[in-house]
Amino acid sequence: NAGVMQNPRHLVRRRGQEARLRCSPMKGHSHVYWYRQLPEEGLKFMVYLQKENIIDESGMPKERFSAEFPKEGPSILRIQQVVRGDSAAYFCASSPLLVNEQFFGPGTRLTVL
Amino acid sequence: AQSVTQPDIHITVSEGASLELRCNYSYGATPYLFWYVQSPGQGLQLLLKYFSGDTLVQGIKGFEAEFKRSQSSFNLRKPSVHWSDAAEYFCASLLSVGNEKLTFGTGTRLTIIP
Repeated sequence: NAGVMQNPRHLVRRRGQEARLRCSPMKGHSHVYWYRQLPEEGLKFMVYLQKENIIDESGMPKERFSAEFPKEGPSILRIQQVVRGDSAAYFCASSPLLVNEQFFGPGTRLTVL
Repeated sequence: AQSVTQPDIHITVSEGASLELRCNYSYGATPYLFWYVQSPGQGLQLLLKYFSGDTLVQGIKGFEAEFKRSQSSFNLRKPSVHWSDAAEYFCASLLSVGNEKLTFGTGTRLTIIP
């Protein structure tokens, strides 16, 4: 059983461009979570999704950030018009239904020039 | 709001020495508690977790943690560290099943010296 997959592992964008981060959960996992880790800080919750539903997006910035988890395909975290402050590591985690243990992917390290 | 505090930003220990990493949580009820390890450039790996029951929890790689309600603590311990234990360690809490936001501490960076 492959683990949580994230791609790309590293992403470089210029200010004003869009960043798309992908997360494929573990097989059989129906819940996906996104976290952001700023340099020298712990991880901060962003959003919790189930297939075709956003359950909790209380940690998402109100503007420029969006997330989806379609019926088919990976979960996508989209950041529009990136700014330097968006530079961070973005981690995806997944869990099965009714299990409160989250399995983390290797992360995508976003650098905004 | 719940919070997790890791008071030690950086700890250095000698290989073979014992280790204790501190973690305190702030929440009225007992949350679910976790310790994760992050190697440089890698994702997080779960070391152990506490939900209820026995307050001494065994994990992978020889780690254990003890939940102490009176001190609101969940400290991670290892009797003898190995050079491969050098990494960043994060304590995290989850309020309850159905509230799936993990709250992380700021991490403790562990350096091992020969």
